[in-house]
Amino acid sequence: QSVLTQPPSVSGAPGQRVTISCTGSSSNIGAGYDVHWYQQLPGTAPKLLIYGNSNRPSGVPDRFSGSKSGTSASLAISGLQAEDEADYYCQSYDSSLSGYVFGTGTKVTVL
Amino acid sequence: EVQLVESGGGLVQPGRSLRLSCAASGFTFDDYAMHWVRQAPGKGLEWVSGISWNSGSIGYADSVKGRFTISRDNAKNSLYLQMNSLRAEDTALYYCAKDVYPMVRGPYNWFDPWGQGTLVTVSS
Repeated sequence: QSVLTQPPSVSGAPGQRVTISCTGSSSNIGAGYDVHWYQQLPGTAPKLLIYGNSNRPSGVPDRFSGSKSGTSASLAISGLQAEDEADYYCQSYDSSLSGYVFGTGTKVTVL
Repeated sequence: EVQLVESGGGLVQPGRSLRLSCAASGFTFDDYAMHWVRQAPGKGLEWVSGISWNSGSIGYADSVKGRFTISRDNAKNSLYLQMNSLRAEDTALYYCAKDVYPMVRGPYNWFDPWGQGTLVTVSS
């Protein structure tokens, strides 16, 4: 049972901007812990997309951006492309569980 | 190039044991913490366990505490997960993932990269 809540799905036309929310609580995101994002293309392992709330690893297009405020975080994808169709997960640390937690996951569909 | 290759998965009966391995290459293994993360079929990601660079700090998800044991052999660049008393709900693809820091149980850690996973199926 995930403690970070994401919308099950979001969709958009090519070129549009979509956002994915990640809602936590005072024991994880609200405690000031960083949020990281992963992209999982169909049939593949997750890949780091955003670390430390808003930082992109080298090789990740600047179409992807992250932000955090209060007990929530968001991932935005601008200029949506067909290759962005994937599942996206947020991740943080939870002090009540003394462990790492993932979001419920969001499937992005390009219309 | 960093590579993580998991092995040891398979079909096992409920209550039995299985040991997963993860062979690491392309980086200085004993500089980093390592983790196991699993994904049940059609479901999301669940952190299972993590171990610090020197095995001095270890953490487990409540769902596996007391049944699973994580370990590492820095001389062999290998990570392990001993899984005992397996249950049907442990059925999942198990990923090995490298941390970006040496220690676990810190609030800022993230996982990069991940292996391709090894499938564990618990069924009679």
